[in-house]
Amino acid sequence: AAGVIQSPRHLIKEKRETATLKCYPIPRHDTVYWYQQGPGQDPQFLISFYEKMQSDKGSIPDRFSAQQFSDYHSELNMSSLELGDSALYFCASSLLAGGFSGANVLTFGAGSRLTVL
Amino acid sequence: AQSVTQPDIHITVSEGASLELRCNYSYGATPYLFWYVQSPGQGLQLLLKYFSGDTLVQGIKGFEAEFKRSQSSFNLRKPSVHWSDAAEYFCAVGANNAGNMLTFGGGTRLMVKP
Repeated sequence: AAGVIQSPRHLIKEKRETATLKCYPIPRHDTVYWYQQGPGQDPQFLISFYEKMQSDKGSIPDRFSAQQFSDYHSELNMSSLELGDSALYFCASSLLAGGFSGANVLTFGAGSRLTVL
Repeated sequence: AQSVTQPDIHITVSEGASLELRCNYSYGATPYLFWYVQSPGQGLQLLLKYFSGDTLVQGIKGFEAEFKRSQSSFNLRKPSVHWSDAAEYFCAVGANNAGNMLTFGGGTRLMVKP
C-alpha cells in the first residue's frame, strides 16, 4: 500500500540558508500535518492543512511557512535557518472526508532529517 | 488543552519478559488515544488506537493497551518482548475539536536484553 512520501530524506544546510521539504500524502487523503522532532524530543505539531486550506497551527516559527497544493502534496519552507532548526521533520496525512473527527488516524512518513551547520 | 505524560524515559527488559509502558493523559472529554513506535532513524508507526467501546484494544506486533478513564491512563502491554521491539514508544492523544492534531508524550525508550 502507498504510504506518505517525504523528500528529501536528508538535508544539510548552513545557517541563514533556506530549505524546502516536500510531502506527498497517501492517495485520496485530504489532510496533511507537519511535525518537528528535535534530538531526543517528542514530535511537536507545526501546522496542518485540510483541502488546501490551513486548518490548525501549532508552534511553527514565523520563519517557516507551508502550503498544500491542488494535488494535495504539501511543502514546508524554512528560511533564515538556525542551528536549533536541526530536527527530524515528519509529515502525516489522513482522510477527514468533509469534517473533523478524532476517529481519523494519521499515517506518518519516514521523516526528513534537516541538519543546520 | 490536552497533555500526555510518559513517566518512564528508559525501560530495559529481558527478551521474553512481559512489558508495560505507562501513559497518562489530561483532557476534559473522552480522548482519542494512540500508541506509536519509532525505530532509530525511522518514522512513526501506529501500534494501536482507542476511540470508544471496548477499553482493551489489540494492536499490531502482539501489543495491547487498556484505557482506564478513572486513572486517565492508557498503558501499553506485551506479554513477551522480542529483541526487535527495542525502539522508542510514544503515546499520543487527539481531540475531536483539534482537527486530529496529536499531542505526544515525551516517549519511552525500550531496550531489550538478550
